[in-house]
Amino acid sequence: NAGVTQTPKFQVLKTGQSMTLQCAQDMNHNSMYWYRQDPGMGLRLIYYSASEGTTDKGEVPNGYNVSRLNKREFSLRLESAAPSQTSVYFCASSPLRGGVGNTEAFFGQGTRLTVV
Amino acid sequence: GNSVTQMEGPVTLSEEAFLTINCTYTATGYPSLFWYVQYPGEGLQLLLKATKADDKGSNKGFEATYRKETTSFHLEKGSVQVSDSAVYFCALGYNFNKFYFGSGTKLNVKP
Repeated sequence: NAGVTQTPKFQVLKTGQSMTLQCAQDMNHNSMYWYRQDPGMGLRLIYYSASEGTTDKGEVPNGYNVSRLNKREFSLRLESAAPSQTSVYFCASSPLRGGVGNTEAFFGQGTRLTVV
Repeated sequence: GNSVTQMEGPVTLSEEAFLTINCTYTATGYPSLFWYVQYPGEGLQLLLKATKADDKGSNKGFEATYRKETTSFHLEKGSVQVSDSAVYFCALGYNFNKFYFGSGTKLNVKP
């Protein structure tokens, strides 16, 4: 009954370091997403993947890259971390494949990232 | 474009009080609407949803009605409990698998 699993749960980076946030879902969903959550700003979409092999930019993609490794896994990479990337990152998945967005997204527990 | 606006918090209520959290949206076409809840230290969980105009979503005593004429999806509960303390997010789901979230409203319920 895992759903969406994110690793790690917490991470502290120094400015300029790189890291990859991992996300996996076991619900056979087509779509996967990465969001960041900042105080007073809700969730903002970084990147999403509508299906295996495709990725698209969201609202705030700068400074990030993603890989849809297979249907289950969608990773988010910070190549050179900056303090502005301090945030809580959420991965989500949805069975949606094109068309009207009438199915919900399922969220992981989040990764709290601090860049010093 | 598509966007969601919800009332700023925090909202502080006494147990058994009536709750309303306002949410309005801007969208072209026919989005689906959602309320998510986030408990401290956890991810977002779907609370309820409505997929077309005049639909009412309900769950755990919470309700929201999709009002196309006023572009609103206000969340209501008749009698809140301390365990309802959380952050509530209104969201819309639209074409090409995108979801748009409001900024969240923190609810504090005091015994």
